[in-house]
Parts: sequence; structure tokens; C-alpha cells
Amino acid sequence: EVQLVESGGGLVQPGGSLKLSCAASGFTFSGSAMHWVRQASGKGLEWVGRIRSKANTYATAYGASVKGRVTISRDDSKNTAYLQMNSLKTEDTAVYYCNAIAVAGTADDYWGQGTLVTVSS
Amino acid sequence: QSVLTQPPSASGTPGQRVTISCSGSSSNIGSSNVYWYQQLPGTAPKLLIYRNNQRPSGVPDRFSGSKSGTSASLAISGLRSEDEADYYCAAWDDSLSGRVFGGGTKLTVL
Repeated sequence: EVQLVESGGGLVQPGGSLKLSCAASGFTFSGSAMHWVRQASGKGLEWVGRIRSKANTYATAYGASVKGRVTISRDDSKNTAYLQMNSLKTEDTAVYYCNAIAVAGTADDYWGQGTLVTVSS
Repeated sequence: QSVLTQPPSASGTPGQRVTISCSGSSSNIGSSNVYWYQQLPGTAPKLLIYRNNQRPSGVPDRFSGSKSGTSASLAISGLRSEDEADYYCAAWDDSLSGRVFGGGTKLTVL
């Protein structure tokens, strides 16, 4: 059974930092691209960024609203992806989902249950 | 303002057929595959359609996707109450070098 479990969310002050984790199981993590997608309360989905597999040189890409403030990494030995967020703003408040795409263009597209990040003083 | 444009809402009665549109540009829908996600209330998104018109196993054939040029559509036939959810289209955007989502369409089954 495929599982993606996010952790690390919580309350942080504006300007602070937070690191989210996404623990994966049930599929070939090392060969998958790992995306982070967020959703503010009552709003739509917003792509945060992604990291590709080792075969694709661990290439990263980020959304415009977070570029320069977030870093996505992965540890294939632990089947875990990470989202390091710095200089957090109130508008970063959202549920953060990790999304694994095992093979681009296929149905191997899995989502975690999400973790809530609240940026507030 | 989302890069991909969807109607904010759609509705239908049980048994009806509804379609949800997704409009983009040559840098996204026009040059890459379109994906559709279903998000039931209080849950994570779930892949509904991949590669424009393919259904993952387990997704009823009442759901179908199509793409033409820079637009895509999701059709749901034989509408059921459990189809009430938010639906999102997504694609890769070559100009932005990133993944883009539509703003989402809230489907109400009357």
C-alpha cells in the first residue's frame, strides 16, 4: 500500500523557518519525482516545487511565490523528501501536501494527507 | 489569478452529464499533458485523469478527459451525489518551468 506521511507543520512567526518531511512507502521512492503542493484555507492548489530523481540529477524547480525562500531535498536512503521554508510570511499559511509522481505521464501519482503550516505572530 | 482558467462552479442533477473546462496557453496545455484531480471535502487531491484522457484503475468510466489545442475538459456522466467535490486541472508550463493548476471548480450535485 502506498503511503505518504507529512510531518513538521505547526505555528511559526513571520520571518521564521520550518522544515517539513514526507515519509514514503509502498512504491519506488528513489525513482520518483517529489512535489510539494499547498492549499490555503478555502483556496485552490498551488504548486510549491519539486525534486526529481537521482537519474534526473536531483533537479529542482520552484514556484514563483516561494522561489529563493524554500529548498526541496530528499534522502533516498530514508525514503523521505523535505521542504525547508525560510523567511516565512503570513501568506504561506496553508496545508502542505507532498505528491509523488513515480513515472511522469502515468497514473503513479500519490498524495499525502497534508500538514498544516500557520504563520502568525 | 491561476495560469489555467476553470469555472469556479458547476452543477447538475443526479444522472446528468456535466463538463468542466480548463483553458491555458501554448506553453502549458498546448505543449504538455493535462491532469485532473478530484478533491473530496476535507481530503487530499486524488488523480482522476492523466495524460489528457487516461483513467487510473478504479476511476469509473463515467469520468472522461479530452484536450484540444490549449484547452481541456473533464466530463462526468451519470452524475452521482458522491461526485460532489472540487476538481482541478494541472499541466507543466514550459515558460514558467513549473507545474500550474487551475483555480478549481466546485461541483454541486443538486
